[in-house]
Amino acid sequence: QQPVQSPQAVILREGEDAVINCSSSKALYSVHWYRQKHGEAPVFLMILLKGGEQKGHEKISASFNEKKQQSSLYLTASQLSYSGTYFCGTDHGSSNTGKLIFGQGTTLQVKP
Amino acid sequence: KAGVTQTPRYLIKTRGQQVTLSCSPISGHRSVSWYQQTPGQGLQFLFEYFSETQRNKGNFPGRFSGRQFSNSRSEMNVSTLELGDSALYLCASSIPYNEQFFGPGTRLTVL
Repeated sequence: QQPVQSPQAVILREGEDAVINCSSSKALYSVHWYRQKHGEAPVFLMILLKGGEQKGHEKISASFNEKKQQSSLYLTASQLSYSGTYFCGTDHGSSNTGKLIFGQGTTLQVKP
Repeated sequence: KAGVTQTPRYLIKTRGQQVTLSCSPISGHRSVSWYQQTPGQGLQFLFEYFSETQRNKGNFPGRFSGRQFSNSRSEMNVSTLELGDSALYLCASSIPYNEQFFGPGTRLTVL
């Protein structure tokens, strides 16, 4: 039931782009993306809901393919501050339930 | 607007003891979800409360319990602590339900 994230880790140079994928075997109502830096709490980035609504930071973009039960997070022109572990959390209810199942995370390192 | 607060931030206990962790949600948020984070298992859902009622529960033993008060503050309790309970315990609040905002967590170490 846990969503699968890929890749597990990625190293970028500043200014490069990256895509992080999240795939579920169960039907999704919503996908939530978070970034967590070492020793800190996860920070909300974006939520994508069934039906196409999405909310999040202006500089972050993502997609949600309801049919394939997949979501992708697009990080463009990466900055050093983008480094951290990215998690997708999935809600499998008929509407949002407050119960998120998280993937194992993707570690992103941005180098100067 | 103040964020989610959790107390205490750090806790050291011994096996067999019990512990209570507290979470104060963002003002106006009425749903509180609890998660356990460990290096091996990642982020795992414990339970979620809304209007003082547990709405969802994860796959954790009965030693893990929680409650929510009328002001939306929530507590979780772990009884008969085991070494494997050492983890970062995070709570997240939402209006509900859409986006969840996490607190800084309580780092529990069981010796």
